[in-house]
Amino acid sequence: QSALTQPASVSGSPGQSITISCTGTSSDVGSYNLVSWYQQHPGKAPKLLIYQVTKRPSGVSNRFSGSKSGNTASLTISGLQAEDEAHYYCCSYGGPRTLYIFGTGTDVTVL
Amino acid sequence: EVQVVESGGGLVQPGGSLRLSCAASGFSFSNYKFHWVRQAPGKGLEWFSYIFTDGTTINYADSVRGRFTISRDNAQNSLYLQMNSLRAEDTAVYYCARESGIDCAFDLWGQGTLVTVSS
Repeated sequence: QSALTQPASVSGSPGQSITISCTGTSSDVGSYNLVSWYQQHPGKAPKLLIYQVTKRPSGVSNRFSGSKSGNTASLTISGLQAEDEAHYYCCSYGGPRTLYIFGTGTDVTVL
Repeated sequence: EVQVVESGGGLVQPGGSLRLSCAASGFSFSNYKFHWVRQAPGKGLEWFSYIFTDGTTINYADSVRGRFTISRDNAQNSLYLQMNSLRAEDTAVYYCARESGIDCAFDLWGQGTLVTVSS
């Protein structure tokens, strides 16, 4: 099973909003509302930002929001801050055969 | 403190074996499904195995099936990964990750342990 497709990089200025896409297929992203998003700073473990497409774990800033349309999920970061500079990965459940698929990852740069 | 800590990584020759451990503390380990996720140097995340709470249900990605074995000891609050027939492409940081109860929602990660397969 191939990784979900994300843009390699996205950038924005402080205070702006950016959106990262995560494109799968009708067998994974399109079939299940089980998309999560992770933030990973260099040399650190991933951190869960969003689960079940739109839900935020306790303690995660409301500047992070998720959505989905068809086979594409999206993560929006509003009010971009320097600390948001990191790698971001999506994850989708792909059914009982494929199970779990991560995205290719997106490098976010704050200009 | 709620945490999981991986150990057991290192340098191993191709074809060799290694056993990783993941020690949990600060929460009820036996209540959670656990996963192993790896990340090759400079690459993305790759899920490859899970184990249910009681250890009776296990699954693997095709990339490791038949070579890796996941297990757990709830009495010891520990997760394990036995890796055999290691290949160069298995070189990665290996993370254990707790699932929140929602598929793909891994809410607790360790710091990872590096496995390097090289002659």
